[in-house]
Amino acid sequence: DIQMTQSPFSLSASVGDRVTITCRASQTIRNYLNWYQQKPGLAPKLLIYAASTLRPGVPSRFSGSGSETDFTLTISSLQLEDFATYYCQQSYDPPLTFGGGTKVEIK
Amino acid sequence: QITLKESGPAVVKPTQTLTLTCSFSGFSLSTSGVGVGWIRQPPGKALEWLAIIFWDGDKRHSPSLRNRLTITKDTSKNQVVLTMTNVDPMDTATYYCAHSPSGYDRFDYWGQGTLVTVSS
Repeated sequence: DIQMTQSPFSLSASVGDRVTITCRASQTIRNYLNWYQQKPGLAPKLLIYAASTLRPGVPSRFSGSGSETDFTLTISSLQLEDFATYYCQQSYDPPLTFGGGTKVEIK
Repeated sequence: QITLKESGPAVVKPTQTLTLTCSFSGFSLSTSGVGVGWIRQPPGKALEWLAIIFWDGDKRHSPSLRNRLTITKDTSKNQVVLTMTNVDPMDTATYYCAHSPSGYDRFDYWGQGTLVTVSS
């Protein structure tokens, strides 16, 4: 199985901050990497797919980069509605594993 | 507009079989490339992928649960059913179904989830 490791586990940030979350795959997954946002009590929402493609309707302050084994989700200027947990997921090969999540909290 | 909704029992006893149904609209599971997957999330924990079934009947399961999981589809009813045998309290989780537009590509639409508690 391909293991997905996210860091940090959690972070505290202020509105307007630039936030970076990393995701590392245990083997190459080319660019088959997705990012999801989940708020408490709600289903996850797709933000970015194929490592860097922004889903239509997702604010442009979200961006993704990386390839092979190392990936990054960046929020350029954190907004109140961005406080949530973020998950990466590889879609290269089943089982389609998720990272452990990164909780973004208000400082 | 694509929507999905999970249904099933809220409580199941240990060793019993859990059957969950995903009812969807806005797409057809006979369209080339389309798939429906199941993902679960134990309380306070991370997401775990369980299984996926595709338009052509191809299916994949989590290796760790393979012997306990069955995924089937009823294209005429727009439903996907996940069956899990011999449940354990560790299977307590919110279970989600989700739409994949092309192969394993991504899960772009999710159901609201259904909480299943395994308890005697």
